[in-house]
Amino acid sequence: GDSVTQMEGPVTLSEEAFLTINCTYTATGYPSLFWYVQYPGEGLQLLLKATKADDKGSNKGFEATYRKETTSFHLEKGSVQVSDSAVYFCALSVRDTGRRALTFGSGTRLQVQP
Amino acid sequence: DTAVSQTPKYLVTQMGNDKSIKCEQNLGHDTMYWYKQDSKKFLKIMFSYNNKELIINETVPNRFSPKSPDKAHLNLHINSLELGDSAVYFCASSLAARGGRYEQFFGPGTRLTVL
Repeated sequence: GDSVTQMEGPVTLSEEAFLTINCTYTATGYPSLFWYVQYPGEGLQLLLKATKADDKGSNKGFEATYRKETTSFHLEKGSVQVSDSAVYFCALSVRDTGRRALTFGSGTRLQVQP
Repeated sequence: DTAVSQTPKYLVTQMGNDKSIKCEQNLGHDTMYWYKQDSKKFLKIMFSYNNKELIINETVPNRFSPKSPDKAHLNLHINSLELGDSAVYFCASSLAARGGRYEQFFGPGTRLTVL
């Protein structure tokens, strides 16, 4: 079946540090890949997405590149802020199926200290 | 003008009770979902409806029954609540599109606590 593996958290960084959250996947078909963010007490928001190999998704300074050869979609940001503290979820959905649901990783909590 | 709304936001109830959670989206989407987030933040699909038709029904106890009166609404009814049902339940919606380019929009969640 489909699965997503994320690095364990929490990840604790100082403000302006570089962030990487690793994400790898296995999929039964050709997946689209997503990063969602969940701020404390809120629902999930789409952060970025990529729908085919070598695509780069970017938003709010975050980036992730769809790497088919390594089945990865690592999230990066050059300089984190305290306001980036949240739980980050990597997810996939497989094309050309009627399923359409997202398969999520376990989430990685990011704590940014001033 | 909330895109995906859920009610109630918090639900505290006793074991054995029956409760419902309501979800509405005003995005014109044709597919809606229920996800369960456990205490460790793990998210898993429960149900999905497309144009009021059930298309995903994961391994969920029969006590859980979704109902979609129209494309904009997807409700979740839970019978005989158990302690293990305590979780945050998220509703989501999307446009069904080939190629998987759609994104899902999530509601704020309903935190269910069973005592």
